[in-house]
Amino acid sequence: AQSVAQPEDQVNVAEGNPLTVKCTYSVSGNPYLFWYVQYPNRGLQFLLKYITGDNLVKGSYGFEAEFNKSQTSFHLKKPSALVSDSALYFCAVSLRSNDYKLSFGAGTTVTVRA
Amino acid sequence: DSGVTQTPKHLITATGQRVTLRCSPRSGDLSVYWYQQSLDQGLQFLIQYYNGEERAKGNILERFSAQQFPDLHSELNLSSLELGDSALYFCASSLGGSGRSGELFFGEGSRLTVL
Repeated sequence: AQSVAQPEDQVNVAEGNPLTVKCTYSVSGNPYLFWYVQYPNRGLQFLLKYITGDNLVKGSYGFEAEFNKSQTSFHLKKPSALVSDSALYFCAVSLRSNDYKLSFGAGTTVTVRA
Repeated sequence: DSGVTQTPKHLITATGQRVTLRCSPRSGDLSVYWYQQSLDQGLQFLIQYYNGEERAKGNILERFSAQQFPDLHSELNLSSLELGDSALYFCASSLGGSGRSGELFFGEGSRLTVL
């Protein structure tokens, strides 16, 4: 079984402040972890992934995420948020043993105020 | 533009009816995924095909079925529609599985409204 949890439905930050979106995962095996972003009335867009190797991964638009195996977490971070970062963010997980099934979290709505 | 094309973009139909949603994957991608997004259920994985064969199955109802054709396009068939089937249905594609390719490319979605 595989699942991800995004404990916060909403995150609100001021422009220029750090942004963190939390994700924890539960898998019976080694995970692949992903972050996707969805802008209004659009499909999801890939931000970054953790497959193996360095626990800190960097992705698009200045985002990064840290894989923490002991805490089973994969939090998304951005040092300085922009108003244009306001969107719906999804964490997702698949298994190395079966990477054809990608399971998404419930999503976190990020609002960055000017 | 992700390169994934979904039709129709919007569809309004009545309960009990049947609809077909179509997806053309990105050129060269062999895997097609279907997801359902609704306010109460979030983003739910339905089914995935790789090069014409079913590879993974999620929370897909028996009233729903899908297939991937030799030209790699895919169709999702929804029958005996209920009000609760109203949702945004996404298709995504990748070269292989999510791990091998690293990312899925999503279409813009087909918004189904059942009245």
